[in-house]
Amino acid sequence: KQEVTQIPAALSVPEGENLVLNCSFTDSAIYNLQWFRQDPGKGLTSLLLIQSSQREQTSGRLNASLDKSSGRSTLYIAASQPGDSATYLCAVRTGRRALTFGSGTRLQVQP
Amino acid sequence: GAVVSQHPSRVICKSGTSVKIECRSLDFQATTMFWYRQFPKQSLMLMATSNEGSKATYEQGVEKDKFLINHASLTLSTLTVTSAHPEDSSFYICSAGVAGRSTDTQYFGPGTRLTVL
Repeated sequence: KQEVTQIPAALSVPEGENLVLNCSFTDSAIYNLQWFRQDPGKGLTSLLLIQSSQREQTSGRLNASLDKSSGRSTLYIAASQPGDSATYLCAVRTGRRALTFGSGTRLQVQP
Repeated sequence: GAVVSQHPSRVICKSGTSVKIECRSLDFQATTMFWYRQFPKQSLMLMATSNEGSKATYEQGVEKDKFLINHASLTLSTLTVTSAHPEDSSFYICSAGVAGRSTDTQYFGPGTRLTVL
């Protein structure tokens, strides 16, 4: 059974810092990995999707990497802003189409 | 981009009543929809997978008689929480898979906050 772990569970940084969020998964036979953002009481916003054949994806200040063989992914946020404060969720898709989610990292960027 | 809506966004009901939550794909056809549940400060847990025109597949530990799922069309799936109890209070989120897309992206609805008194 696929298990997804995210470290750290919570993170507080001053504005402007670069930061890295970590995600690990136990079954490396994945189709893709996706990073989401969730604001309190809200739904999910997809940030980046990495197919199993890819190593990384970039969107603006966000960069996600994938090392499928070691079961790891990182989300790099450059020059963090208070508006980046949210919970970041990592999810993987294995054989079936549903996603397995990690427990998330709650990020607080202090102005 | 593809849009998925959920209705209602928030519902409060008395214990013992039934609540229906709708999930609609607004500008695309979704052959498969997924229902997730999220308890406070926890991650999303898959409840069931719903394919248009067939019975839903429930995850282990999810009571199919309590959480009734209907996927009658390619743009609508409903989740009915029957005889709701306070422990059913949660955030319910649906997602829709785009038919024919090679990347197999799922699009998530905004969620429904259910509070059972």
